[in-house]
Amino acid sequence: GAVVSQHPSWVICKSGTSVKIECRSLDFQATTMFWYRQFPKQSLMLMATSNEGSKATYEQGVEKDKFLINHASLTLSTLTVTSAHPEDSSFYICSASWRQETQYFGPGTRLLVL
Amino acid sequence: AQSVAQPEDQVNVAEGNPLTVKCTYSVSGNPYLFWYVQYPNRGLQFLLKYITGDNLVKGSYGFEAEFNKSQTSFHLKKPSALVSDSALYFCAVREEGSARQLTFGSGTQLTVLP
Repeated sequence: GAVVSQHPSWVICKSGTSVKIECRSLDFQATTMFWYRQFPKQSLMLMATSNEGSKATYEQGVEKDKFLINHASLTLSTLTVTSAHPEDSSFYICSASWRQETQYFGPGTRLLVL
Repeated sequence: AQSVAQPEDQVNVAEGNPLTVKCTYSVSGNPYLFWYVQYPNRGLQFLLKYITGDNLVKGSYGFEAEFNKSQTSFHLKKPSALVSDSALYFCAVREEGSARQLTFGSGTQLTVLP
């Protein structure tokens, strides 16, 4: 149980384009989903927290207009990186939890912006 | 404020020997403590958690962790290491009743030598 999927697993895009990453909880309903960014050999940096049906809460320093988060259902959240630039290249990981219990993580999405 | 420290960036152990990955934490109230493992280019996998109850928590793949309130520690242990245990391990903490999300340690790279 407690499986979280992410799609795509990797993506390469041109600078200036937008990229959407999906995060799905496959066998449980996620009241809260989290989006993290991880740089090589570093810990996870929380970008935002989203509760189903409400606006995401962004961490300080994360541009909400650049990283659009939607949590339209209890099993799906999306992160859209708008007008991507090379510095947005990173490993993006989502996690999902039910009522602030254990967070279960997706396999991650590697984004490379050329 | 809540924080967690993993004092060792790297731990090397011979296969078959016991392993310990250290973690200390700081919270104002009662801690919820977690261990996750990350394999290369993958998301985090949940290993175990301490919420309340027995100080010795048993988790996946033969791992266990001991909650020590007086030393504010939650070290991860395994009696006999396998080469396949080689990965990046993260300790995380959240304060009971807090709306704050998980705070992750910096990670410890475990290498099990054959």
